[in-house]
Amino acid sequence: DTEVTQTPKHLVMGMTNKKSLKCEQHMGHRAMYWYKQKAKKPPELMFVYSYEKLSINESVPSRFSPECPNSSLLNLHLHALQPEDSALYLCASKLTGLSYEQYFGPGTRLTVT
Amino acid sequence: GQQVMQIPQYQHVQEGEDFTTYCNSSTTLSNIQWYKQRPGGHPVFLIQLVKSGEVKKQKRLTFQFGEAKKNSSLHITATQTTDVGTYFCAGPLEKGGSEKLVFGKGTKLTVNP
Repeated sequence: DTEVTQTPKHLVMGMTNKKSLKCEQHMGHRAMYWYKQKAKKPPELMFVYSYEKLSINESVPSRFSPECPNSSLLNLHLHALQPEDSALYLCASKLTGLSYEQYFGPGTRLTVT
Repeated sequence: GQQVMQIPQYQHVQEGEDFTTYCNSSTTLSNIQWYKQRPGGHPVFLIQLVKSGEVKKQKRLTFQFGEAKKNSSLHITATQTTDVGTYFCAGPLEKGGSEKLVFGKGTKLTVNP
């Protein structure tokens, strides 16, 4: 199984809502990522988990809260978002170490109204 | 900080023409990775180069890693409409224990049939 799954595919939420994005992989990867991607831009790193511990937080606003409940799951909790947070949110995973590629999920297309 | 620069930003070709995108890092890389993102899709890993001067081929795609391990290129021979997408190069952040990939801004390829 070489797949990273993400749910939901699309999400529309108001600025006062609370929602969560989910990501799952069963490849035994112990590094998991959240990226934000705006149109015509490269993926922008938000968070990295390594062995279920948060290892990188790229100064992301606290309205985004990541969680790694176990080695296969990664969540991104969203609260009080702004319209400028509308983007494609990508999850990725890889084996730990410098020499391994990332496997990306299909993403969640988020619209904040 | 470590930067990865990629040119050109956009390239439009006629089907059958060749295409090349170039990637330059501000620091020496242990490896460089290439990803392709189709319109509406997510980044998909293409290849990883590790050795100085390495050249790898995948059908009509040729990937090169420079002797100094600071630059790389992707060349597509005789483009087809299936080659349409954005090509990203990425290198690992060369800081101990980091699982971060530094992405170039990407080259968007469009192919006129």
